[in-house]
Amino acid sequence: EIVMTQSPATLSVSPGERATLSCRASQSVKSNLVWYQQKPGQAPRLLIYGASTRATGIPARFSGSGSGTEFTLTISSLQSEDFAVYYCQQYNNWPPITFGQGTRLEIK
Amino acid sequence: QVHLVESGGGVVQPGRSLRLSCAASGFTFSDYGMHWVRQAPGKGLEWVAFMSYDGSNKYYADSVKGRFTLSRDNSKNTLYLQMNSLRPEDTAIYYCAKGASWFDPWGQGTLVIVPS
Repeated sequence: EIVMTQSPATLSVSPGERATLSCRASQSVKSNLVWYQQKPGQAPRLLIYGASTRATGIPARFSGSGSGTEFTLTISSLQSEDFAVYYCQQYNNWPPITFGQGTRLEIK
Repeated sequence: QVHLVESGGGVVQPGRSLRLSCAASGFTFSDYGMHWVRQAPGKGLEWVAFMSYDGSNKYYADSVKGRFTLSRDNSKNTLYLQMNSLRPEDTAIYYCAKGASWFDPWGQGTLVIVPS
């Protein structure tokens, strides 16, 4: 089973600033990684697939990078609606599909 | 517009059974694999199970293997999760989600509570 580890657990950033979230895989997942955003009381929403491709309707301030075992989600200029929990997920080697434990992005 | 609606959740005693449903609309259901993902209260996401578009392939997380069973009725555009021998650790919001390798979109979820 591939273990996904996200850091930090909580990230405090001011609106308008840049946020950088990290995700590490226990073994290479190539570019087979996605990012989701989850707001309180809502289902997760797909942001990025293939490590760097934005899903339909996702603003350009969201970008993904990385391959192999190290991945980054960057939000270039935080808007109020971006404060949420973010999860990474690998699909290179499944079952099982595995998620990171999440990063909570909070307002500083 | 793709729409997924889960139902069937509730409070169930340990050892009992429950069947969840996921009604799909807005796409050709019979062309797509479908997943169940769960989230315990205040916790992260856990993949539960997958069924291919035609039901020929099914995969389960180790935590539910032998207790949960997937099925689908493509004529009714509905995915099912039969959950037997429920345990307190199965308490979670259960989401169905469209897709093969990733999940897009997700339903709103249905809450299953198994008291200890």
